[in-house]
Parts: sequence; C-alpha cells; structure tokens
Amino acid sequence: AQSVAQPEDQVNVAEGNPLTVKCTYSVSGNPYLFWYVQYPNRGLQFLLKYITGDNLVKGSYGFEAEFNKSQTSFHLKKPSALVSDSALYFCAVRPHSGNTPLVFGKGTRLSVIA
Amino acid sequence: SQTIHQWPATLVQPVGSPLSLECTVEGTSNPNLYWYRQAAGRGLQLLFYSVGIGQISSEVPQNLSASRPQDRQFILSSKKLLLSDSGFYLCAWIVRGYNEQFFGPGTRLTVL
Repeated sequence: AQSVAQPEDQVNVAEGNPLTVKCTYSVSGNPYLFWYVQYPNRGLQFLLKYITGDNLVKGSYGFEAEFNKSQTSFHLKKPSALVSDSALYFCAVRPHSGNTPLVFGKGTRLSVIA
Repeated sequence: SQTIHQWPATLVQPVGSPLSLECTVEGTSNPNLYWYRQAAGRGLQLLFYSVGIGQISSEVPQNLSASRPQDRQFILSSKKLLLSDSGFYLCAWIVRGYNEQFFGPGTRLTVL
C-alpha cells in the first residue's frame, strides 16, 4: 500500500529566505507525486506534479520540487519565501498503474514571518 | 473549463439530524469523484470514491454514505449525525487520462 510522510507539522521561515517542506513516499512501482496548498477554509489548490522525466519540477507561485528516487523523496522548495506563502501544504502520491485515489500526507503548516 | 461546486458552504446541524451534501462538476464527463473529510485543519481522510454512476467505493466504514445519481453529481449523506461527523468536507475529481485531482471549495459542517 502506498503512503506519504510529511515529517514536520510546522515550518517557520523568514520572508526572503529559502523554504523547504519535506515529503517522503512509499509506493509499489513508479510514483505519481503531487503538491497541494490549502488556505484557511478553502479547498486544496494544485501546485505541481511529477509524472516522469526531469527530476526538478516547477509549479505555480515560484514553487518547485525535486524527485529523488533513491531517497524516495519529493521535497517542495522555493528560493525566496513570501508572507503570502503561509498556508497548509500537502504532498500526495499514487502509483502509475491502476486508477487508485491519491494518498495524502498529513500536511505541513508553513509560516513565513515578515 | 471545468469547475466543481459544493453546497452548502457552511452547515450547523444538531446531533441525530440527517445530512445531505452535494457536489457537482461542470465542463467534463465521466470523472472519478471523491469525498474527503478534514478534521481540525489537518490531514485528509478519503471517505468514498466513484468511477461511474451508481458505483461507490467506501474507504472507511462509518456513519456516512455516498451516492452518484448522475455522471457529474456526487452526494454525501447521513441518516443521523454524530458529534464526530464535524469537519471540513471536500469533494474532488479527476478527468480520465489526467493525473491530478482538483478540489471543490469545501463544506464546513458543525454538529452540535
């Protein structure tokens, strides 16, 4: 069965500094990997995905993520954080084969401090 | 373009009352549809998913049920609400051939 771990409940970073939100996964076969962001009382918004190809994936709002197969990781990064990036971030995975639903991590709350 | 609607946006219900939450997708056909619950602003729990009309898979046995009476309509129901049913309910969909799920705006349910 597939699973996702987001080891940090909370990440604090100063505005302008680089940010990283960690994600590791477990899945049979090759993974589809995703990052979503959620603002208070809103649905999840899709940020980016890794399907195949280049390990560095660029997404919305200046975010990017790097797929590392040997470490089974898909960390979310941004070179310079904004206060408006403060939100709840979810990593998700599902295998290439089959039509199974996404499995989500428990989420990491990012706080960017001015 | 595709959009997804959920209503109501907020709901306050007494314990023991029935529930019906509706999700409708526009601009696509034959999507996979999903109901999630999010408690206390944290992790998502997959409740039900559907790959077609009348086809429902339940992930967690509990006080809720789901139905898909039409291709683009997904309904979450309960006959008698419990306090533990409180939470933020999210509907999501995937178009066949694509990979990412898209989410509706959610319904905040408070059971008193």
